[in-house]
Amino acid sequence: AQSVTQPDIHITVSEGASLELRCNYSYGATPYLFWYVQSPGQGLQLLLKYFSGDTLVQGIKGFEAEFKRSQSSFNLRKPSVHWSDAAEYFCAVGAKMYSGGGADGLTFGKGTHLIIQP
Amino acid sequence: EAGVAQSPRYKIIEKRQSVAFWCNPISGHATLYWYQQILGQGPKLLIQFQNNGVVDDSQLPKDRFSAERLKGVDSTLKIQPAKLEDSAVYLCASSSLQHTDTQYFGPGTRLTVL
Repeated sequence: AQSVTQPDIHITVSEGASLELRCNYSYGATPYLFWYVQSPGQGLQLLLKYFSGDTLVQGIKGFEAEFKRSQSSFNLRKPSVHWSDAAEYFCAVGAKMYSGGGADGLTFGKGTHLIIQP
Repeated sequence: EAGVAQSPRYKIIEKRQSVAFWCNPISGHATLYWYQQILGQGPKLLIQFQNNGVVDDSQLPKDRFSAERLKGVDSTLKIQPAKLEDSAVYLCASSSLQHTDTQYFGPGTRLTVL
């Protein structure tokens, strides 16, 4: 069974500083990897996803993530954070899509709470 | 394009009562998911439908939880009877067969069991 570990429960970053959120996954085959963001009272919004190809993927809001198979990691980065980036961030792994269409449900990590200091 | 709709947004009940949540996925999306998100944790998949058939309900506590998607469009998740540990946000998500990679989430229903 797949699993996701987000080792940092909370991270505090100064506004304008760079950010890296860690994610490690466990999955027997090539995983489908996702980063979602959840603001208070809001639903989950997809930031970016990785399926195959280029291991550095670009997402919305200036975020990027790098897939490293050797380290089973998919860390999220942003060069300069803004106060509006304060939220909960979830890494998730999905199993391979099946031939009949549709995709398995996602397995999420416990999330990292990002705090932005002025 | 309208997003995933859920209702109610909030619900407070006492333990042993029953409760139902409703989800209307994005139009045309064949796959629908229900997730449970307990405070401080990531969402956990409860059940997955493709059209009106169940694909995966391995993590659904079937002694008290049930879900249906009779016409392959909207869905209802029911808890009967509720326990204190069912307090959580219940998220509905949907995806299309053409773009199976992306699940779109609704705002969720926050359930408090007293």
